[in-house]
Amino acid sequence: AQKVTQAQTEISVVEKEDVTLDCVYETRDTTYYLFWYKQPPSGELVFLIRRNSFDEQNEISGRYSWNFQKSTSSFNFTITASQVVDSAVYFCALSEAYPGGKLIFGQGTELSVKP
Amino acid sequence: EAQVTQNPRYLITVTGKKLTVTCSQNMNHEYMSWYRQDPGLGLRQIYYSMNVEVTDKGDVPEGYKVSRKEKRNFPLILESPSPNQTSLYFCASSPSGLAEAQETQYFGPGTRLLVL
Repeated sequence: AQKVTQAQTEISVVEKEDVTLDCVYETRDTTYYLFWYKQPPSGELVFLIRRNSFDEQNEISGRYSWNFQKSTSSFNFTITASQVVDSAVYFCALSEAYPGGKLIFGQGTELSVKP
Repeated sequence: EAQVTQNPRYLITVTGKKLTVTCSQNMNHEYMSWYRQDPGLGLRQIYYSMNVEVTDKGDVPEGYKVSRKEKRNFPLILESPSPNQTSLYFCASSPSGLAEAQETQYFGPGTRLLVL
């Protein structure tokens, strides 16, 4: 069965610190997709990134970077030089190739960035 | 503007009083789904629809009904709400049910439901 685990329930850092959010997944499929979403205090879900299982290249987008390692079934998310606006709940999610509509979410990690 | 709308955004009701949460998208998407979000559990899929008149259960369908009579609308019905259905509900849509389409999955703003 598919499963996504975000072991860190809450993380608190001071502004400008780097922070890594962990995500470990389980699936029997060889083709799957991994996602990160951000949920700011306002409550909406904001799509951040999607990776497919055949692409293990790390990705960087501004202060955000993602490290995908199939060998450890992990898809970790790092925020460099964190800012107060990064305070949010972050969800990691998994989707199989078909039917691909369903997202299996992790429990979420609440990140608090203090000034 | 491309969007998924949900109504109401906040609802307080009592046990057993039927309610409907509406969801509408203006992007001509085929795939729509409902999730509930609970502390410590993340989001879990309730029901989904691959297209008009095609619906199926997600992981936590008990106590819910859905219908898909039109492409744009996907209402969530609680025929007899109970306190354990107190949650934050999200409607989502994407062009298709294929995983490749999930990059363009749109989530609604959420509906906070409290069942007393």
